[in-house]
Amino acid sequence: QVQLVESGGGVVQPGRSLRLSCAASGFTFSSYAMHWVRQAPGKGLEWVAIITYDGRNDDYANTVKGRFAISRDNSKNTLSLQMNSLTIEDMAVYYCARDLSGRFTIDVWGQGTLVTVSS
Amino acid sequence: QSALTQPRSLSESPGQSVTISCTGTSSDVGYYDFVSWYQQHPGKAPKLMIYDVGNRPSGVPDRFSGSKSGNTASLTISGLQAEDEADYYCFSYAGSHTWVFGGGTKVTVL
Repeated sequence: QVQLVESGGGVVQPGRSLRLSCAASGFTFSSYAMHWVRQAPGKGLEWVAIITYDGRNDDYANTVKGRFAISRDNSKNTLSLQMNSLTIEDMAVYYCARDLSGRFTIDVWGQGTLVTVSS
Repeated sequence: QSALTQPRSLSESPGQSVTISCTGTSSDVGYYDFVSWYQQHPGKAPKLMIYDVGNRPSGVPDRFSGSKSGNTASLTISGLQAEDEADYYCFSYAGSHTWVFGGGTKVTVL
């Protein structure tokens, strides 16, 4: 079955970096654009970033632009999110999610990984 | 990239209907027919309930329906059931490969 499994979350100090990964299975990963979405504790969902199926193009929410970088390795069915200069406002559960091709939305979500930013 | 506006909470009795509004702008909800709705139970990942304003993915009950008028999209849940108690989020394409969520609505089944 289609599955997305995030990893790499943990506790990090403000100003430091962290890299999240997402392992995809059960579908042809290289055919789909992929997103990252986050949810701060007790708060709503926030779209973070997207990368095209071939990795050639990406886009970001204004809140993370210039600090976060999304990437993918289609040979390993893996999506990544490099997060730099982390702040308290970046503390959240980060979800890896699959784009519903051609419909400009998300159809499959991972279970999420928690990033805690604390000194 | 301002969040879409949803009511914070709604409540209704079992068997009744509830409609959740999602107000954006002429640059997102009002411009594109790419509005989706997600259901999220506590501690769980969101689940796609509606896409393209009013289309249901396979497996989603037809009690769930979506519509749009101008800059406002709506999700209606008919015949409310206990398992419908959850948070609901709208999600819209906003152009230039960016997207925006609504703030979320907590639906309580009385």
